[in-house]
Amino acid sequence: QKEVEQDPGPLSVPEGAIVSLNCTYSNSAFQYFMWYRQYSRKGPELLMYTYSSGNKEDGRFTAQVDKSSKYISLFIRDSQPSDSATYLCAMSPNILTGGGNKLTFGTGTQLKVEL
Amino acid sequence: DGGITQSPKYLFRKEGQNVTLSCEQNLNHDAMYWYRQDPGQGLRLIYYSQIVNDFQKGDIAEGYSVSREKKESFPLTVTSAQKNPTAFYLCASSMRRDGFYEQYFGPGTRLTVT
Repeated sequence: QKEVEQDPGPLSVPEGAIVSLNCTYSNSAFQYFMWYRQYSRKGPELLMYTYSSGNKEDGRFTAQVDKSSKYISLFIRDSQPSDSATYLCAMSPNILTGGGNKLTFGTGTQLKVEL
Repeated sequence: DGGITQSPKYLFRKEGQNVTLSCEQNLNHDAMYWYRQDPGQGLRLIYYSQIVNDFQKGDIAEGYSVSREKKESFPLTVTSAQKNPTAFYLCASSMRRDGFYEQYFGPGTRLTVT
């Protein structure tokens, strides 16, 4: 079983829809949870990150972490065609408590927002 | 402009040939990484280096080699021993951000071996 599981999609939604992207994980040591966005034929870039449980909002994007269920989500409101990309979750232990400098990535979910 | 450059963007080789992928960063980051990305498999770590003249194997190091002679540069050699070398290769560097290391990625090199 992989440490991080993510549905690869593809996920196709109409413009303006609310999108929910999810990952599950098995390693209780993970404390930081990231979402990277990767456009076609480009490198991933960090979209947002969350520490431990809770929600974090940035414009149309909301990241949510439920550590008790080992489940993280990224919500995109009012989705736009420019949001079409692959979204990868990534996780890391806290370096202050012994975590290293490697990230564990999900496989990525391919999202297409159609006009 | 700070960032990571990878060259070339597309690379074609014949089976049995070694090939070296370039990765340069001017972000002054200590750590650098190489990943391979295949459809449906996400990012798989090949090698990483935390400091000059030191590097460690990742999850899929067989058939690959690296060097880290300069802080700015972390080239990856795909050897003829790598059974399935055709893939998208991503280089990254990282800096500490709060309690984790944020990774910054280059634009990638798509290698095709026939």
